[in-house]
Amino acid sequence: EPEVTQTPSHQVTQMGQEVILRCVPISNHLYFYWYRQILGQKVEFLVSFYNNEISEKSEIFDDQFSVERPDGSNFTLKIRSTKLEDSAMYFCASKPYQNQETQYFGPGTRLLVL
Amino acid sequence: SQKIEQNSEALNIQEGKTATLTCNYTNYSPAYLQWYRQDPGRGPVFLLLIRENEKEKRKERLKVTFDTTLKQSLFHITASQPADSATYLCALHGSSNTGKLIFGQGTTLQVKP
Repeated sequence: EPEVTQTPSHQVTQMGQEVILRCVPISNHLYFYWYRQILGQKVEFLVSFYNNEISEKSEIFDDQFSVERPDGSNFTLKIRSTKLEDSAMYFCASKPYQNQETQYFGPGTRLLVL
Repeated sequence: SQKIEQNSEALNIQEGKTATLTCNYTNYSPAYLQWYRQDPGRGPVFLLLIRENEKEKRKERLKVTFDTTLKQSLFHITASQPADSATYLCALHGSSNTGKLIFGQGTTLQVKP
């Protein structure tokens, strides 16, 4: 069964450094999402992406964040200058079309900012 | 703003019993509601979706109800097994049409053998 994959599984970085989290959504999916989950807290929406542009972003998704689909398979989340409070699990999700309600989540990248 | 509340206390039950988890929401009238399972350090996995015009949905040992008057969904696992131990997340779609999901904080279920 097709799966969403994410790399790396763990990332440790110094505060102020840039990180890029990578996702490979399921191949025929067209709608892409990033969520994050701070340890012990709820899963929070960051951004949705369709047709090569952001369709919605949350208040968390400030100018330090960006997303890109550089080719036909990868979907990336970049944090330009990481802060301690960016430490969290980051989940990528995708779905095939707009009326499909269910999203398929990747295993996540655990980001630790020191 | 839309708000989802799940019982944040862990639910401990004995194997074979029925587990019942609650999801309440406010400031919204969703067209559907979803339940996901999350294991430690893993991403959410979809379990069931129930629409506003459905009172109940079943899948194997899982049952979900949806009361739009009470603004509540109940999630039941019958004949629970230790393998059912996980955190269960209730999710609503946002009011925009982008498909974003708004999650509750989840309820952790521990099934003891």
